[in-house]
Amino acid sequence: GDSVIQMQGQVTLSENDFLFINCTYSTTGYPTLFWYVQYSGEGPQLLLQVTTANNKGSSRGFEATYDKGTTSFHLQKTSVQEIDSAVYYCAMREDNAGAKLTFGGGTRLTVRP
Amino acid sequence: DMKVTQMPRYLIKRMGENVLLECGQDMSHETMYWYRQDPGLGLQLIYISYDVDSNSEGDIPKGYRVSRKKREHFSLILDSAKTNQTSVYFCASSFGAEQFFGPGTRLTVL
Repeated sequence: GDSVIQMQGQVTLSENDFLFINCTYSTTGYPTLFWYVQYSGEGPQLLLQVTTANNKGSSRGFEATYDKGTTSFHLQKTSVQEIDSAVYYCAMREDNAGAKLTFGGGTRLTVRP
Repeated sequence: DMKVTQMPRYLIKRMGENVLLECGQDMSHETMYWYRQDPGLGLQLIYISYDVDSNSEGDIPKGYRVSRKKREHFSLILDSAKTNQTSVYFCASSFGAEQFFGPGTRLTVL
């Protein structure tokens, strides 16, 4: 079945470090891919999304590239700040699944000042 | 201000009691969702509602039921709560591909 895998449960960095969060997905179709961010005490909110048409998304300094060959959708940021500390979720919507999203397990990012 | 609201924010119940979680949205979105969030498991879809009285099971519907009698309101009901239903519950609504989440309800079943 469809699945989204985030291998890193936790990532700890210092300010201005480079961020790389793994995400791989498994599906038979051509999904739309998303990164959601959840700050402490809040619900998740959309950070960026990518479709097969555009392959790359960016928002607030974060970037993610859709690689159909490796079925990966890693999240990157050149220089993280303390305010980026949050839980990041990779998610997938299959092209025939209507509105349903499949989420990964989440990666908790802690950025030390 | 577009938002999804959830009530209550915190709830403690005893095993076997009934639980009602409420969700509202002011964006007239047709589609709404209930998820639960557990460490390491991410967000798991319980139910999805496509409009009033048009509800479908998600990935983990067992032990839950829902009610949607108005477009802006979506309820999650636990009949006879179990301890393994202790979790954080999120409601969401969607417009196009983007889902908008509420702040969550932390439910503890003792």
